[in-house]
Amino acid sequence: DVKVTQSSRYLVKRTGEKVFLECVQDMDHENMFWYRQDPGLGLRLIYFSYDVKMKEKGDIPEGYSVSREKKERFSLILESASTNQTSMYLCASSLSGAYYNSPLHFGNGTRLTVT
Amino acid sequence: KNEVEQSPQNLTAQEGEFITINCSYSVGISALHWLQQHPGGGIVSLFMLSSGKKKHGRLIATINIQEKHSSLHITASHPRDSAVYICAVILLTGNQFYFGTGTSLTVIP
Repeated sequence: DVKVTQSSRYLVKRTGEKVFLECVQDMDHENMFWYRQDPGLGLRLIYFSYDVKMKEKGDIPEGYSVSREKKERFSLILESASTNQTSMYLCASSLSGAYYNSPLHFGNGTRLTVT
Repeated sequence: KNEVEQSPQNLTAQEGEFITINCSYSVGISALHWLQQHPGGGIVSLFMLSSGKKKHGRLIATINIQEKHSSLHITASHPRDSAVYICAVILLTGNQFYFGTGTSLTVIP
């Protein structure tokens, strides 16, 4: 079974802090994604990566950056946390190639609160 | 406007009832996923389909590509089915997933 592990389930940070959210997958997946989930808005894509050192902006990249130095690890960085970044953050991975045959595998999520 | 619309947003059912959750989308897709999210956050992929029908236990998913519509059915519902069910589509044009806002299902014993 694919395992996607997010480093923290709950995180509380202060406004202005630099925040790192880590995600590791163990199935050699090419694609990795960071989403945030807010009530009534569903899942929104922040960034995704289809290969090491490659990244693409999603729908809401402002205030975030990412790093993918190794295939299995995809990090989301909040350069200067703000209260409107309080949310549930979900990491996911999938195989490359024929996407219709490649389900998304999600981590358990990190609930971030910025005070 | 969201490319993926789900209905209903909230659903309460008695144990044993047959449940249907609907998903409509407005774009060309290569496949559609049904996902399940339990309280606490983790999301699990239930089905991935690009045509026809799939069944797994008490869950059945159907898709009509021409009508751009999919349904998730739960037969003989049980309290452990209580969760948020999310429809997601993969666009023909890229490797991105687009998500509905979810249907929150509560099954009462």
